[in-house]
Amino acid sequence: DIQMTQSPSSLSASVGDRVTITCQASQDISNYLNWYQQKPGKAPKLLIYDASNLETGVPSRFGGSGSGTDFTFTISSLQPEDIATYYCQHYDNLPLTFGQGTRLEIK
Amino acid sequence: QVQLQESGPGLVEPSQTLSLTCSVSGGSISSGSYYWSWIRQPAGKGLEWIGRIHTSGSTNYNPSLKSRVTISLDTSKNQFSLKLSSVTAAETAVYYCARDSLYGLDVWGQGTTVTVSS
Repeated sequence: DIQMTQSPSSLSASVGDRVTITCQASQDISNYLNWYQQKPGKAPKLLIYDASNLETGVPSRFGGSGSGTDFTFTISSLQPEDIATYYCQHYDNLPLTFGQGTRLEIK
Repeated sequence: QVQLQESGPGLVEPSQTLSLTCSVSGGSISSGSYYWSWIRQPAGKGLEWIGRIHTSGSTNYNPSLKSRVTISLDTSKNQFSLKLSSVTAAETAVYYCARDSLYGLDVWGQGTTVTVSS
């Protein structure tokens, strides 16, 4: 199985800050990497697919980059409604696996 | 707008079989080349992919669960189902169904909590 390692595991930032989360795969996954947002008590929501493509309807302050084993998720200007846990997930092969999550809080 | 809704018993006894159904509305489960997936999440923990079924009926399972999992499709009811046998307390979790569009899990159900306890 491909292991996905996210960092940090938790993050506190102020409204308006630029926020960055990293995800490292245990082997080359090309750009087969997605990012999800999960708010408390809710299902995950797909934000970014193919490492850098914004899902329809997702605000442009969210972004992603990377390929191979190292990936980055960015919120350019943190908003109060962005408080959530964020997960990366690969789909290079099966089984699909997720990172352990990054919990984002407002400072 | 495709929507998914999980249903099934909220309580399952240890060693028994967990059975859940995902009802699809707003579109046919048979249309398009999608996979229909199950994912679970223990309270306060991360996400684990259980497996998926294609509109053709072919299945893929997580090797860690493969011997105990069955995912099936009922096109007449526009539903797909999960059966997980010989469950333990460690499998208490929120179980989600989701559509896999091959670029991502783009539509999710709201999730259903299953507790394994006697």
